[in-house]
Amino acid sequence: QQQVKQSPQSLIVQKGGISIINCAYENTAFDYFPWYQQFPGKGPALLIAIRPDVSEKKEGRFTISFNKSAKQFSLHIMDSQPGDSATYFCAASKADSWGKFQFGAGTQVVVTP
Amino acid sequence: KAGVTQTPRYLIKTRGQQVTLSCSPISGHRSVSWYQQTPGQGLQFLFEYFSETQRNKGNFPGRFSGRQFSNSRSEMNVSTLELGDSALYLCASSNGVFQETQYFGPGTRLLVL
Repeated sequence: QQQVKQSPQSLIVQKGGISIINCAYENTAFDYFPWYQQFPGKGPALLIAIRPDVSEKKEGRFTISFNKSAKQFSLHIMDSQPGDSATYFCAASKADSWGKFQFGAGTQVVVTP
Repeated sequence: KAGVTQTPRYLIKTRGQQVTLSCSPISGHRSVSWYQQTPGQGLQFLFEYFSETQRNKGNFPGRFSGRQFSNSRSEMNVSTLELGDSALYLCASSNGVFQETQYFGPGTRLLVL
């Protein structure tokens, strides 16, 4: 079963707009939530990550919002650029799960000029 | 610092054959994780190795196996290939510290005919 549910499946946003991707999880033992960006022909690359003791984390144009009670977290891409066009994955892991991350299904983001 | 390298990048096999994929982690990294990526199932964790020992394992049949050498390079083997094994196989390396950033390689694209 999918332990991390991600939506939407795809997203089209205009240059300069905001892209918002949402993830929900079931397992309350998860305590580390990274977001990855993947371009065609490449492996995923870490964008930003958050732990449950923080409700928001910002790095440049990328912000994670985390709602522990709702078991949800989201990625906001501000001032979206054509170079942001990629597939984005949320993920989650828990203590002692060495190397094992549960990934969401991915969101394909297309930023139009 | 050189990134994670995976060889070969592309592979075509027929059902029933076996295949071995190789992963060289970033210099100094002692942990290697393997993932299978397919359009239908997304990214699924196969196993993780640290200092030549398997520390964690996903829910894949015994046909999928791996090992790690003393120089941290890792190999993954799939025996008796099935059509459903067609996928992008990704490896990721890290220092092996709990929940530290994983750096993914570009993957090996396996097509089973």
